[in-house]
Amino acid sequence: GDSVTQMEGPVTLSEEAFLTINCTYTATGYPSLFWYVQYPGEGLQLLLKATKADDKGSNKGFEATYRKETTSFHLEKGSVQVSDSAVYFCALSVGGGSNYKLTFGKGTLLTVNP
Amino acid sequence: DAGITQSPRHKVTETGTPVTLRCHQTENHRYMYWYRQDPGHGLRLIHYSYGVKDTDKGEVSDGYSVSRSKTEDFLLTLESATSSQTSVYFCAISESSTEETQYFGPGTRLLVL
Repeated sequence: GDSVTQMEGPVTLSEEAFLTINCTYTATGYPSLFWYVQYPGEGLQLLLKATKADDKGSNKGFEATYRKETTSFHLEKGSVQVSDSAVYFCALSVGGGSNYKLTFGKGTLLTVNP
Repeated sequence: DAGITQSPRHKVTETGTPVTLRCHQTENHRYMYWYRQDPGHGLRLIHYSYGVKDTDKGEVSDGYSVSRSKTEDFLLTLESATSSQTSVYFCAISESSTEETQYFGPGTRLLVL
């Protein structure tokens, strides 16, 4: 079946540090890939997505590139801020019939210290 | 932000009692989903709906049932709550079969004693 594996946290960084959160996937079809972010006490928000190989999703300084050859979708940010502290989820979606279902990784807690 | 509300936001109940959680949307989206979030598991799909009265099971559907009598409302029922159903429950919506992005509600924190 479909699955997502992301690096285990927690990840603790200082402000302005470089961030990478690794994500790899297995899928039976040709998936779309997502990063969601969950701030404390809130629901999940879409951070970025990519729908085909070599696409780069970007938002709020975060980027991730869909690498089909390595089945990866690593999240990066060049300079993190305290406000980026949150849980980050990698997810995939493979359309089946008329419905798309998301499969999530377990989440990575990021803490950014001033 | 997508117009999704969940009620209640917090609930404490006892083992063996029935519990119903409500998800309400104002976006007129066709697809609605219920997930549970547990430490070490990420989010797991419980049930989903692809239209009024059209529902199907997800990967962790045992002990849960759903109903959707109106486009805007999707109800999740725990028929007889157990301590293993203590979790945070999220509702999500998506627009159509060609739109994969799902938008999430704020969550319901359920504690089963």
